[in-house]
Amino acid sequence: GESVGLHLPTLSVQEGDNSIINCAYSNSASDYFIWYKQESGKGPQFIIDIRSNMDKRQGQRVTVLLNKTVKHLSLQIAATQPGDSAVYFCAERTGGGNKLTFGTGTQLKVEL
Amino acid sequence: NAGVTQTPKFQVLKTGQSMTLQCAQDMNHEYMSWYRQDPGMGLRLIHYSVGAGITDQGEVPNGYNVSRSTTEDFPLRLLSAAPSQTSVYFCASLGTGELFFGEGSRLTVL
Repeated sequence: GESVGLHLPTLSVQEGDNSIINCAYSNSASDYFIWYKQESGKGPQFIIDIRSNMDKRQGQRVTVLLNKTVKHLSLQIAATQPGDSAVYFCAERTGGGNKLTFGTGTQLKVEL
Repeated sequence: NAGVTQTPKFQVLKTGQSMTLQCAQDMNHEYMSWYRQDPGMGLRLIHYSVGAGITDQGEVPNGYNVSRSTTEDFPLRLLSAAPSQTSVYFCASLGTGELFFGEGSRLTVL
């Protein structure tokens, strides 16, 4: 999961395994959530999003699960590949505007 | 389409110097924003703009100015750089629900 501090939590997985990255969000009024991937030295890239009226959304090799009861979001990556190595962080939007609040991120390391 | 373009990619300043980080997007997005990213912290919003001629403060606006004279450009100005402004800066524009980020500008203030 994500936390505030100097060191990013790290998830290490074997190539081919499934990865699950967790995020606890803060505002029960948030209506939209996004997962971003950030490779070293690059800007964040959109992976997948989900609205608060859904509890699951699937993309290509990725699934986002939303549990509003406990304010928890997860990103599942199937058959993790070396190219998936990056920092992943979630973002929440509150109030229907354009402002996003970002989490601190989780470092995913894929071991060959 | 180039997307969101930031310049420079790297910059070293001395305390007290001023500089401008440039950001341009070619997607005709109305909403643009500047974030800073520091170790162990999430992206924090500095300033944002919902359209040409309109800007507003984000979470950490102090020490930064912005302007939005055109839809395409959203420069970020550091008026008098301080070591606390050492960070990686990202410009982003908003499409249909999705933020498109630039590649980042790494700024070091000595």
